[in-house]
Amino acid sequence: QSALTQPASVSGSPGQSITISCIGTSSDIGSFNVVSWYQQCPGKAPKLLIYAVNKRPSGVSNRFSGSKSGNTASLTISGLQAEDEADYYCNSLTWSRTWVFGGGTKLTVL
Amino acid sequence: QVQLVESGGGVVRPGRTLKLSCAASGFPFTDYGMHWVRQAPGKGLEWLAGLWSDGTEKYNADSVEGRFTISRDNSKDTVFLQMNSLRAEDTAVYYCARDLYNSAFDYWGQGTLVTVSS
Repeated sequence: QSALTQPASVSGSPGQSITISCIGTSSDIGSFNVVSWYQQCPGKAPKLLIYAVNKRPSGVSNRFSGSKSGNTASLTISGLQAEDEADYYCNSLTWSRTWVFGGGTKLTVL
Repeated sequence: QVQLVESGGGVVRPGRTLKLSCAASGFPFTDYGMHWVRQAPGKGLEWLAGLWSDGTEKYNADSVEGRFTISRDNSKDTVFLQMNSLRAEDTAVYYCARDLYNSAFDYWGQGTLVTVSS
């Protein structure tokens, strides 16, 4: 199972919105509404931001939103803040009942 | 509160075995599936294995099929990862994570470092 494809890096200024894409295939993202997104700060464990494509766990800011179209999922962060600087990973269930992550995207807040 | 605490990491020689443990607390362990995910130094996340709440169904990534085995002891609220025939490329931080009803990994441990080196 190949990793999902994410841009290596994105950047934005405080207050702006950015979108991170996650490209999969018809065997993973395209087949299931089981896409999740994680934020990982340096030296820390990942934190769940979005699950089931567009649902936010309790306690996660509504500045984070998710969507999906075909084989591509997206994470949008609005009102960018300095504390959002981190690595972001997408994940999807696959047809073989395994899970696959994206390669990760480093977000820089300018 | 939900807590997951991994243990068992360390330095091991290539070809040897290691068994990681993840002790869970703060939630009804028998109601949740569990997973192992690893992260090599400076690299991204890699899902390794998962199993259902009752342990009857388990799934492995192709990259570790035949070498790594996930299991659980519901009487001790603990999930394990048995790692055999370790290779240098298995060097990573290993995380356990709770399954959110087959849709995501909602809680993660702090990770345990495994270093495979001669």
